Amino acid sequence: EDQVTQSPEALRLQEGESSSLNCSYTVSGLRGLFWYRQDPGKGPEFLFTLYSAGEEKEKERLKATLTKKESFLHITAPKPEDSATYLCAVQARSSASKIIFGSGTRLSIRP
Amino acid sequence: DAGVIQSPRHEVTEMGQEVTLRCKPISGHDYLFWYRQTMMRGLELLIYFNNNVPIDDSGMPEDRFSAKMPNASFSTLKIQPSEPRDSAVYFCASNRLGGGYTFGSGTRLTVV
Repeated sequence: EDQVTQSPEALRLQEGESSSLNCSYTVSGLRGLFWYRQDPGKGPEFLFTLYSAGEEKEKERLKATLTKKESFLHITAPKPEDSATYLCAVQARSSASKIIFGSGTRLSIRP
Repeated sequence: DAGVIQSPRHEVTEMGQEVTLRCKPISGHDYLFWYRQTMMRGLELLIYFNNNVPIDDSGMPEDRFSAKMPNASFSTLKIQPSEPRDSAVYFCASNRLGGGYTFGSGTRLTVV
């Protein structure tokens, strides 16, 4: 069964303190791994898609990387506006367009 | 583009009543998804459609839940009869094959 596990559940950082969020996955043939950001009271917002081990994508202070078993979302010198829940999701090659989400990491950045 | 549009934003209903949630996907997107989000279970896929045809409804929790997509620009998720444990935020999302999902703002359902 396809599965996505994110850690930690919650992370509190000081502004400027860099860190990484982890997403471990089990899937029968990975088509794509997705990262989303979700703010309170809103729907998830698409950030990145990664397709193969070794691939990296960057957007502002965020960088996503992918191995055969996990993905990391690195956040460099975060700001308070980066506070949100970050969700990881995977899509199997066999599943057309269906994706399975992890439970997310709640990130809080203190000024 | 206005994005994925869901209505209503909030719904409070009494146990046993019928609830209908509505979704308008992004024009040109041929996949539509209904998700439910709770603190305990996170984001759960309920059902998804491709070109208006239901493809996988294995996530629909019970026969009380039903979903339709009569055309490419409209879908409904109906709960009849509603129960307190159905209280959650319900999201609709759409995409083209291989693309990232675009989510709506969600409907917060409270069943009392």
